[in-house]
Amino acid sequence: RKEVEQDPGPFNVPEGATVAFNCTYSNSASQSFFWYRQDCRKEPKLLMSVYSSGNEDGRFTAQLNRASQYISLLIRDSKLSDSATYLCVVKSGGSYIPTFGRGTSLIVHP
Amino acid sequence: DADVTQTPRNRITKTGKRIMLECSQTKGHDRMYWYRQDPGLGLQLIYYSFDVKDINKGEISDGYSVSRQAQAKFSLSLESAIPNQTALYFCATSEGGGAIGTQYFGPGTRLLVL
Repeated sequence: RKEVEQDPGPFNVPEGATVAFNCTYSNSASQSFFWYRQDCRKEPKLLMSVYSSGNEDGRFTAQLNRASQYISLLIRDSKLSDSATYLCVVKSGGSYIPTFGRGTSLIVHP
Repeated sequence: DADVTQTPRNRITKTGKRIMLECSQTKGHDRMYWYRQDPGLGLQLIYYSFDVKDINKGEISDGYSVSRQAQAKFSLSLESAIPNQTALYFCATSEGGGAIGTQYFGPGTRLLVL
């Protein structure tokens, strides 16, 4: 089983839709969690960190479920500009190196 | 100006050639990383360095070497390039200290090995 797994998609949604992605991780000692966004042929950029209690940044909500070992990203009122690949990143306890998921592709269409 | 820069941005080379990819940062971060990205495979860590005297292998270091010339500079070399090293290469930085925080990526180097 891979350390960090994501559904590659693509998720194809209309503008204004709500869409959610999950990311599962295998190491129960994982401590830090992030969502990065990567546009086509560009570098990944931090979208948001994921906190234990869940956190929100505008239209984006991230949640952590330690019992089931997954994090989620919810995007409300999707915009065309949200089209990108969303990378899940997990850092396990005892390691200073993060592990990247392969990403979930989102396509928002008019 | 970009905080993390990579040169060259694109490179075409032939099998067997030695090439160097360079990364510079103005963020003042201690930690630097080299990743490669292949379609459908996500980011794979090649090497990382937590300070100037520290070099560590990542998950796919074979065929690569690195040099940390200064806090701000981290170079990746392919001693004898082969076609399956064709990929998009990213340099990244992060702050030092305990738990890793945000990583900041350079714009990438697109490498084609013929």
